[in-house]
Formats: sequence, structure tokens, C-alpha cells
Amino acid sequence: QKEVEQNSGPLSVPEGAIASLNCTYSDRGSQSFFWYRQYSGKSPELIMSIYSNGDKEDGRFTAQLNKASQYVSLLIRDSQPSDSATYLCAVNYSGGSNYKLTFGKGTLLTVNP
Amino acid sequence: DTAVSQTPKYLVTQMGNDKSIKCEQNLGHDTMYWYKQDSKKFLKIMFSYNNKELIINETVPNRFSPKSPDKAHLNLHINSLELGDSAVYFCASSDSWGLYEKLFFGSGTQLSVL
Repeated sequence: QKEVEQNSGPLSVPEGAIASLNCTYSDRGSQSFFWYRQYSGKSPELIMSIYSNGDKEDGRFTAQLNKASQYVSLLIRDSQPSDSATYLCAVNYSGGSNYKLTFGKGTLLTVNP
Repeated sequence: DTAVSQTPKYLVTQMGNDKSIKCEQNLGHDTMYWYKQDSKKFLKIMFSYNNKELIINETVPNRFSPKSPDKAHLNLHINSLELGDSAVYFCASSDSWGLYEKLFFGSGTQLSVL
């Protein structure tokens, strides 16, 4: 059973702070990693993908991957109230010729003005 | 223009009924999915189709039957609805199938079984 673990939160940060969201995964063979953002009552939307160890930056978002530790994180700099949402970590692995994206249960982030 | 659209948005029905959810994407993607999100927000894949061919069929009761008439459409039919089927069902599509698939989700169908 492939598992993706996230702290369900809520994680509360003040406006302008750095929000740090963490995710661990069980399958060492996992190769691609994604962060989806889901506003309350809305559908998930992709905000970051990362495939190699290290950091990947896109605007205020930085994804970090450490395959040896089976750990992926998302940093949100200069957090805004509009960043308040549930952040879903997703990990893709291959089981033979089949690929399956497994989601964590999400971390609820609240950014306080 | 809505990229992935699914109907209806809300579905309230009695136990034992049969219902369908429709999904259409205009992104030109080859791969479509059905996901179920329970009350605890856990998002779990149910089915995946690539070029109308079923490629992922998770451990889902056979009361759930997907149908893909063409690459742009993936419908979900549910027979003999049960209370535990209450959830939000998301349709999604991606331009590739494999390790780097990036999903585009529809707006979801909130199914309530009474």
C-alpha cells in the first residue's frame, strides 16, 4: 500500500510569513511529486511539480524534494490571506506498466491578516 | 470556456436509486479520470481511461461503471446507491499518462444519498 502522509493542520501563519507544508511518502521508487491547492468547496488545481532532488522555485512558491529521506515540502513566501486553502501532496509511482497518482489527505493552511 | 465540465453539480437521491454523472473536457487530452473525495477530504482515484481504454480500475464496487464514448467524455454510472457513496466525485483529465501526468479537475459533483 503506497502512502502519502501530511499533517492535516490547520497550519496558521500571519500574513507576510513563510508557510511550510510537509509531506512524506512510503514508496522509495516514487519519481514525480506534485502540490495541488484546493480552496473550500472548489476543485484541486496544480501549483507545483518537482522530479529531482533539490529546490524548485515558481514565484512565491518553492518545492523541495529529498528522495533519500522520502520527503517533499512546499514553502510559500510572503503568505497572503488568498493562500488560505488545503494543500494536497501527490506522488506518482509506477507499478509495472501502470502509473498511479496517490494523494495525501491535505494540510489546511490559514493565513491571518 | 470551461476546460473540464461535469454535470450535475449537486445530486441528492434516495438509497437504491441509479444515477449518472457526466464529464466532458475540451483540452484535447487523451487521459481522463474519476476521483472520489470523502468527507475528510481524502482524494482517491477510482478509474482512469487513456484513449477510451480503461487503464486503472481501483478496488471500487462493481455498482460503479465508467463509460468513455470518446476521448473527450467520461461518464460514471452508479447502481443501487448506498449511504456510503455520499461524497464529492471529481472528473479530471491530463495531457499525458505516466509519471508526469498533471491533472486538470472538473468542479465536482456533490452526491448525497439519503
